[in-house]
Amino acid sequence: DAGVIQSPRHEVTEMGQEVTLRCKPISGHDYLFWYRQTMMRGLELLIYFNNNVPIDDSGMPEDRFSAKMPNASFSTLKIQPSEPRDSAVYFCASSLRARGGYTFGSGTRLTVV
Amino acid sequence: DQQVKQNSPSLSVQEGRISILNCDYTNSMFDYFLWYKKYPAEGPTFLISISSIKDKNEDGRFTVFLNKSAKHLSLHIVPSQPGDSAVYFCAAHRNSGNTPLVFGKGTRLSVIA
Repeated sequence: DAGVIQSPRHEVTEMGQEVTLRCKPISGHDYLFWYRQTMMRGLELLIYFNNNVPIDDSGMPEDRFSAKMPNASFSTLKIQPSEPRDSAVYFCASSLRARGGYTFGSGTRLTVV
Repeated sequence: DQQVKQNSPSLSVQEGRISILNCDYTNSMFDYFLWYKKYPAEGPTFLISISSIKDKNEDGRFTVFLNKSAKHLSLHIVPSQPGDSAVYFCAAHRNSGNTPLVFGKGTRLSVIA
């Protein structure tokens, strides 16, 4: 298995533009998590899905953020409109269970200028 | 409100010596703890875990100690090697249902040759 695949690896965009981050989880994993890494807050959970259903999106910072999982092999995190404070590394992870065994993707480094 | 706290942003250790990374938690409902290791431009990877029914777990050069009364855990690396230089995240899981892992801010370990 190729692991969790995220794209793009790097994204530089102008303030106000829409940004879409993509994730392909490991086949058979029931859980998918979106985390954001910043110096100030470390790894913070944005949203997670179980069997393609969003379970908890209380970590999504604002209405500008949205996430979808249309099927078991694909998820997107969208920011519209983007702001400089959204600059961070965004990680997707998948797992068979919530308790552990997470496999993280390599992340998307987002820079909003 | 940080439920998992890693109060040392960075740590430098000489090769061959012991590295001790600390983690405190506030939620007494946490019953399973993990350490993840992250290299630059990669996602975090699982390192070692411990259940709350134990106070020590060892895997090669890595040992995790848990002090439940103090709500404190630590990761010991003996002996430290230059390849251990990375960011280490402490994570915890609550014993109620399928809730995601809660991560700390991370500690950057530098092992100096």
